[in-house]
Order: sequence, then structure tokens, then C-alpha cells
Amino acid sequence: AQKITQTQPGMFVQEKEAVTLDCTYDTSDPSYGLFWYKQPSSGEMIFLIYQGSYDQQNATEGRYSLNFQKARKSANLVISASQLGDSAMYFCAMRGIIQGAQKLVFGQGTRLTINP
Amino acid sequence: DTEVTQTPKHLVMGMTNKKSLKCEQHMGHRAMYWYKQKAKKPPELMFVYSYEKLSINESVPSRFSPECPNSSLLNLHLHALQPEDSALYLCASSLRLAGSYEQYFGPGTRLTVT
Repeated sequence: AQKITQTQPGMFVQEKEAVTLDCTYDTSDPSYGLFWYKQPSSGEMIFLIYQGSYDQQNATEGRYSLNFQKARKSANLVISASQLGDSAMYFCAMRGIIQGAQKLVFGQGTRLTINP
Repeated sequence: DTEVTQTPKHLVMGMTNKKSLKCEQHMGHRAMYWYKQKAKKPPELMFVYSYEKLSINESVPSRFSPECPNSSLLNLHLHALQPEDSALYLCASSLRLAGSYEQYFGPGTRLTVT
């Protein structure tokens, strides 16, 4: 079965510091995709970054980077130079074949709070 | 335009009411999704449409009835809901169902069933 684990329910970080949000996954499928989404209190899920299981390089998108360690089955999100607007819920998700269909499976999320 | 719109933003309905949630995208995406999200929990997949045909129904109760009238529009018809159905309902779309395409989400409809 496919599973995503986020072990940090909440994190508090000072503004301008870098922050790492942990994500580990479990799958027997050789082909899968890993996503990170940000959900502010308004409710919208905002796509941040994607990593494919066959990608050789770690994904980067502006201040976001994904630390992909395939052997350890981890896909941590790194946010550099954090800003107050980064305060939100962050979900790690994996796309794979579940019961014969392509689905997105989410972790439980990490609530990130940036302090001024 | 990478926008998915949802209406209404908020909805309060009684257990005997019939209402509908609407979702629209104009990105040419051919896969559309409904998710249900309870407070402090991740989204749970409800339905998936691919090329206007229902591809996945995650054993959702029949009081929720999805409809995809065209490639840009997705509706969720609600009837005889229970208080435990109160949640944030998120619509999403992706270019295709197959392949690792990112899903773009709308802002959601906050539903309260009284």
C-alpha cells in the first residue's frame, strides 16, 4: 500500500531562517511522483514543487527545493529565507497507482508558523 | 490562466435541502476531481472525472452526486446530507489523469449542514 508520513505536526521558525519539512513515503511502485502543496487558512491548496521518481536532480522552484533521497524514501521540502507569508499548512503527497487507478495520497500535514 | 474557480465560497444547508457546488476551469484540463477535507486533516478523494466520464468513485454515499456537463465544468449535487458531511469541499483539475501532472486546486466551498 502507498503511504505518506509527515512526522512534524507543527513547526515554529524565525523569519528569514531556512526550514525543512520532513516527508517519508512507502511504495512498491517503481514509478511515482511526489508533490508538495501549501494550504493557507483561506483553504486553497497551492502547488509548490514536484519530484519524479526517475528524476536525477533534486527539484527546485524559487525559494523551494526538494531534498529527494530515494534510498531512504524521503522527500523533504526546504524553504530558504522564510517569510511571514509562508505560515500555512504544508502537505506532502504521492501520486501512484492505487487499486488500478492513478491517485494522489496526502500526508497528515505540517503546520508551519513563521515568527517575526 | 492557472485558475480553478468554485462557487459558492460558503454554504449552509439543512438536512432536507438540495444544493449544488460548482467548479470551473479554462486551462484545457481533462481530469477533474472532488475532494472532501475535514478540519486539520488532509483532503480525501471523492470522485475523479477523465474526459467527462466518471473514472473513480471512492465509495461515496449516494447523497453526493457528481456531474461533468462539459470539459470545463464540474458539479457536485447534494441531497439529504448529514451534519458529519460539514467540511471544506475542494475541486481540482490536471492536464490528464494518467501521468504525473500536478493538480490545481480551487479555493474550496465551506459547507455546513445543520
